[in-house]
Amino acid sequence: DAKTTQPPSMDCAEGRAANLPCNHSTISGNEYVYWYRQIHSQGPQYIIHGLKNNETNEMASLIITEDRKSSTLILPHATLRDTAVYYCIVRVAVTNTGTASKLTFGTGTRLQVTL
Amino acid sequence: NAGVTQTPKFRVLKTGQSMTLLCAQDMNHEYMYWYRQDPGMGLRLIHYSVGEGTTAKGEVPDGYNVSRLKKQNFLLGLESAAPSQTSVYFCASSGREKLFFGSGTQLSVL
Repeated sequence: DAKTTQPPSMDCAEGRAANLPCNHSTISGNEYVYWYRQIHSQGPQYIIHGLKNNETNEMASLIITEDRKSSTLILPHATLRDTAVYYCIVRVAVTNTGTASKLTFGTGTRLQVTL
Repeated sequence: NAGVTQTPKFRVLKTGQSMTLLCAQDMNHEYMYWYRQDPGMGLRLIHYSVGEGTTAKGEVPDGYNVSRLKKQNFLLGLESAAPSQTSVYFCASSGREKLFFGSGTQLSVL
């Protein structure tokens, strides 16, 4: 799976949009971009994923550049509860042959949302 | 619907003792995983399973064994615990897309 690069930390004011960048310049055509977050010492929580189109769900938006070498996770209105470590991961799709596609976690971006 | 349940939540072992961590999922997922997380670091994959009766090594398998006798359960065993195995252990399960994680087991080996 391709490696990702994220800034170690970011700050965001409550109510503002949090834009978390991720570089994945060696991504392959069949690799998805996944975002997870880990609040305090809890288990990681899935946020969103995409292949090449931009995606949006109730938690966030994912913007993937046209060349797919980088992406941005957007939390449109950050709250204090969004303070967490955010992980950007690339992952090959699971195949019908049963090959599990493992997630490789880096150290992520520690997002601090402040009043 | 409990999702992914890990037991125990906390455990303290002495060097050389053995123990088994249990992971149970109720989502009928084929794939299950065991990760460890050391302070200030990301998660590292220990072992994983693509189905009942099958297991495979991950990034850091040494010192651990696993078994998947039932689809819903994935056991992680430490035969002879070492202080280097002090960590937080997370189990996860997945279908073809997203992983669901348990709340973790904090293990200390003295």
